[in-house]
Amino acid sequence: DAGVTQSPTHLIKTRGQQVTLRCSPKSGHDTVSWYQQALGQGPQFIFQYYEEEERQRGNFPDRFSGHQFPNYSSELNVNALLLGDSALYLCASSPGTTQETQYFGPGTRLLVL
Amino acid sequence: AQSVTQLDSQVPVFEEAPVELRCNYSSSVSVYLFWYVQYPNQGLQLLLKYLSGSTLVESINGFEAEFNKSQTSFHLRKPSVHISDTAEYFCAVSPQGGRRALTFGSGTRLQVQP
Repeated sequence: DAGVTQSPTHLIKTRGQQVTLRCSPKSGHDTVSWYQQALGQGPQFIFQYYEEEERQRGNFPDRFSGHQFPNYSSELNVNALLLGDSALYLCASSPGTTQETQYFGPGTRLLVL
Repeated sequence: AQSVTQLDSQVPVFEEAPVELRCNYSSSVSVYLFWYVQYPNQGLQLLLKYLSGSTLVESINGFEAEFNKSQTSFHLRKPSVHISDTAEYFCAVSPQGGRRALTFGSGTRLQVQP
């Protein structure tokens, strides 16, 4: 059983560009959450998707947007990149039950120059 | 809203010594509690979790944590650490129920020395 997968593993962009990160959830999981982990810090919640809609959002600007597809996979889009967007972006999936646990992918490391 | 405080940013310890990584949380609602481990250049792996029932929870590799509701703590312990336990450890909480966001602490770097 494949776990949570993310692509690409690494990415280098310049300020002002746009980026799309992808996530495939663990089999049987319908809920996908995205987190940003800056260097030396704990992950911070960006948003969560299930039933193809954004259901919860953390304290991130509208430059961060997402999408969930019918097969439960998800994309994270960031527009107008800033240097401060450099971070490890983690995707987590969960089954959406009442006693759920979130399982994390390996992350995408984004460097903005 | 929830918040998590990990009191130690770094914990150096010698191999085979015991260790405790401290975690305190604040929440106005009942929560689930988690410890995740992150090895260098990797994502987060679930180490153990408290959802309900016994307040002492254990992992398969010898770690344990105890939920203390009165002290709002969920400290992680291991009686004898190995070099391979060197990693970053994150405490996290979420409100009880499904589809809830995790709030993480800032992490504790466990450095096991020979």
